[in-house]
Amino acid sequence: DTAVSQTPKYLVTQMGNDKSIKCEQNLGHDTMYWYKQDSKKFLKIMFSYNNKELIINETVPNRFSPKSPDKAHLNLHINSLELGDSAVYFCASSQRTGPNSNQPQHFGDGTRLSIL
Amino acid sequence: KNQVEQSPQSLIILEGKNCTLQCNYTVSPFSNLRWYKQDTGRGPVSLTIMTFSENTKSNGRYTATLDADTKQSSLHITASQLSDSASYICVASTLYGQNFVFGPGTRLSVLP
Repeated sequence: DTAVSQTPKYLVTQMGNDKSIKCEQNLGHDTMYWYKQDSKKFLKIMFSYNNKELIINETVPNRFSPKSPDKAHLNLHINSLELGDSAVYFCASSQRTGPNSNQPQHFGDGTRLSIL
Repeated sequence: KNQVEQSPQSLIILEGKNCTLQCNYTVSPFSNLRWYKQDTGRGPVSLTIMTFSENTKSNGRYTATLDADTKQSSLHITASQLSDSASYICVASTLYGQNFVFGPGTRLSVLP
């Protein structure tokens, strides 16, 4: 019944490794997002996809690559992990109905990434 | 620079009391203003969304106000409950509602 689910919930890995985080939503939404929440609890948008098409790509290192196989899934792949990548990564989705959309975003419970 | 500020940074109140959280934003072009509640270890949950033409919106014991002229918003919580203990995050959206600028949040603790 979970609307937006992310896996894994926790991810501990070493610097230099490559890892992926998966996200799935069963709400039938058109738009999905990835956010990073740092140690100061600021949430910053990383990517936004609408119907598998990239809409927003904020200033994110190209080591981060989102992949959307279909509109219900948006995975995040991270290459050559660095210490600064340690954070909580949130996936979210919303129903985009056009310009000035005011639809709420539904968030997953986050993936806690720790780089050793 | 698009920015959202919130005050206070943290707040402690007794159960049953009311409180008001503040948000100032400088985003352009402004689309809408959102308030989220984030419990520890969970993702944010939407409380209210207001466009520039709306002054107030309620969701149960939560009432948000918006003054688009002064670029200020507030979230008022009535008759607080222990379960209200969480971070409350103000978010201003731009670019036709697809770019979101998050505030740092206000950490609310409700004590018995």
